[in-house]
Amino acid sequence: GQSLEQPSEVTAVEGAIVQINCTYQTSGFYGLSWYQQHDGGAPTFLSYNALDGLEETGRFSSFLSRSDSYGYLLLQELQMKDSASYFCAVRDTGGFKTIFGAGTRLFVKA
Amino acid sequence: SQTIHQWPATLVQPVGSPLSLECTVEGTSNPNLYWYRQAAGRGLQLLFYSVGIGQISSEVPQNLSASRPQDRQFILSSKKLLLSDSGFYLCAWSVGGGGTQKLFFGSGTQLSVL
Repeated sequence: GQSLEQPSEVTAVEGAIVQINCTYQTSGFYGLSWYQQHDGGAPTFLSYNALDGLEETGRFSSFLSRSDSYGYLLLQELQMKDSASYFCAVRDTGGFKTIFGAGTRLFVKA
Repeated sequence: SQTIHQWPATLVQPVGSPLSLECTVEGTSNPNLYWYRQAAGRGLQLLFYSVGIGQISSEVPQNLSASRPQDRQFILSSKKLLLSDSGFYLCAWSVGGGGTQKLFFGSGTQLSVL
């Protein structure tokens, strides 16, 4: 089966940089994804890493190390609107199921 | 463009009553469809997924069931709700089994079983 671990909460100051880590255990691996969810809303896709290295999309970057079963989401120039929950997720070997971590609640303070 | 519709947005049901949540996708063909449940402040639990009409895979044994009567329609049902069925139910779709497999979520249904 699959399991993912990420911190439950992270607090940072507006304008700062924050890193949200994710470690995973899977019977197979097809890539690590990140989703953002604001309170009461639906998750929205942020990024995906299939290969080792850093993927950058604007203020957000995501990193993957398959040998360490580890990845992180990096948020730069934090804004108040970045306060949300962030989930890492992996796909199973069949490619159709996406399993989510418990989520990291990010609080951005002024 | 593709859109996903999920309704109702909120639902309050008594214990033992039936449930039917519906989800439809527009603008794409043969999508993979998913039902997730999220407890307050928790992660997303995969309940069911479907890769085609009439094909349902169940991830968690429970008193819920899912059906896919049409290509772009996914229904979550229960004959008798339990208190533990309360939660935020999310429908999602994706295309294909390879690549990014980006999930697109509906707006969700907040179910309260009393």
